[in-house]
Amino acid sequence: EVQLVESGGGLVQPGGSLRLSCAASGFTFSSYWMTWVRQAPGKGLEWVANIEPDGSYNCYVDSVKGRFTISRDNAKDSLYLQMNSLRAEDTAVYFCARYGITAAKDVWGQGTTVTV
Amino acid sequence: QSALTQPRSVSGSPGQSVTISCTGTSSDVGGYNSVSWYQQHPGKAPKLMIHGVTERPSGVPDRFSGSKSGNTASLTISGLQAEDEADYYCCSHAGSHTYVFGTGTEVTVL
Repeated sequence: EVQLVESGGGLVQPGGSLRLSCAASGFTFSSYWMTWVRQAPGKGLEWVANIEPDGSYNCYVDSVKGRFTISRDNAKDSLYLQMNSLRAEDTAVYFCARYGITAAKDVWGQGTTVTV
Repeated sequence: QSALTQPRSVSGSPGQSVTISCTGTSSDVGGYNSVSWYQQHPGKAPKLMIHGVTERPSGVPDRFSGSKSGNTASLTISGLQAEDEADYYCCSHAGSHTYVFGTGTEVTVL
């Protein structure tokens, strides 16, 4: 079964740091672009960051540039989001997702909650 | 990186059709054939319903269809059913591997 499972969320003080993880299974993780998407309480979805299959290219929404870093370990089938200098407005459920061959986000995790 | 504009809510009776618009610019919706639509029930992860503007993934009912004209994409749900009641989000490629979501639309089945 194709699956993504996030972990690492929690309560953190403003200015603090947190590292989210996303464990992939059931597919060849190293072949896919991956992404983080977040959803603030009662709000809509917001794309946060992308990373290409070999990890050499990534991109971010302007509001997290310089504070968040997306990375991956293909040997461990895992995706990460290092979040530094956290702000109250970063409070959200964070989802990891896979880009399928159609360039759409076709597999999603259940989300992990970050509260700043 | 401004969010795409969607109506806040739409509603219809069972069996009716509803259409959700998603308006962007020539730098996102109008510039790429890379619009996708996602359904989200409360407390759940989003589910891909449409990709590549018009394509339905396997398992998505054919009452869901997508289209695009200029800077506006649309999702139509024909033959509305109770289980279609959810939030719907469009998403578009916005250049340099970045993406932007729509503001979201709540669909209510009367």
